[in-house]
Amino acid sequence: SQQGEEDPQALSIQEGENATMNCSYKTSINNLQWYRQNSGRGLVHLILIRSNEREKHSGRLRVTLDTSKKSSSLLITASRAADTASYFCAPQTSGSRLTFGEGTQLTVNP
Amino acid sequence: DTAVSQTPKYLVTQMGNDKSIKCEQNLGHDTMYWYKQDSKKFLKIMFSYNNKELIINETVPNRFSPKSPDKAHLNLHINSLELGDSAVYFCASSPLTKVTEAFFGQGTRLTVV
Repeated sequence: SQQGEEDPQALSIQEGENATMNCSYKTSINNLQWYRQNSGRGLVHLILIRSNEREKHSGRLRVTLDTSKKSSSLLITASRAADTASYFCAPQTSGSRLTFGEGTQLTVNP
Repeated sequence: DTAVSQTPKYLVTQMGNDKSIKCEQNLGHDTMYWYKQDSKKFLKIMFSYNNKELIINETVPNRFSPKSPDKAHLNLHINSLELGDSAVYFCASSPLTKVTEAFFGQGTRLTVV
């Protein structure tokens, strides 16, 4: 299995701004997933993008995947204070095992 | 209706004690996991069970023993607790498909003093 590496480690923005987080991984994948973790809570699945997809949208979330660069990005548009959380990517190679990095801590200031 | 539930939410115990954390999922999933999250938020997979059978056992001290009485439950028993075991432990489940999301419990914060 492999884990994704999120970048930056921490991101602080003002409410209404967009937030972009990146994920890099090392080997070929079947899909890549993004999760959010609010302080003191479990991870919540946000979005899954398959290896044959390049972009996917879900509400204010936009995920891109570049398999040639082995990277993905998560864009949150028009951020809100409630978006403050840690965001993790999980590249999935085979089976159902998910491995995670240290995440990006996003702080949205009101 | 809680999909993946863990108990207890908080656990404070002394070094050397034995403790258990329980996990139950009502999603009908075939696969369950235990993850450990350290103070730096790094999430590390510990175990994975598929239909009550162990399929993943990462490098974890043998003081940690998972038990799955049925596919809806995966408990974690820890013997001879050490200070370094302090962390947040998450249970998760997923359907038995190759492309799927995982559902996480709320976590158990274990503090060993």
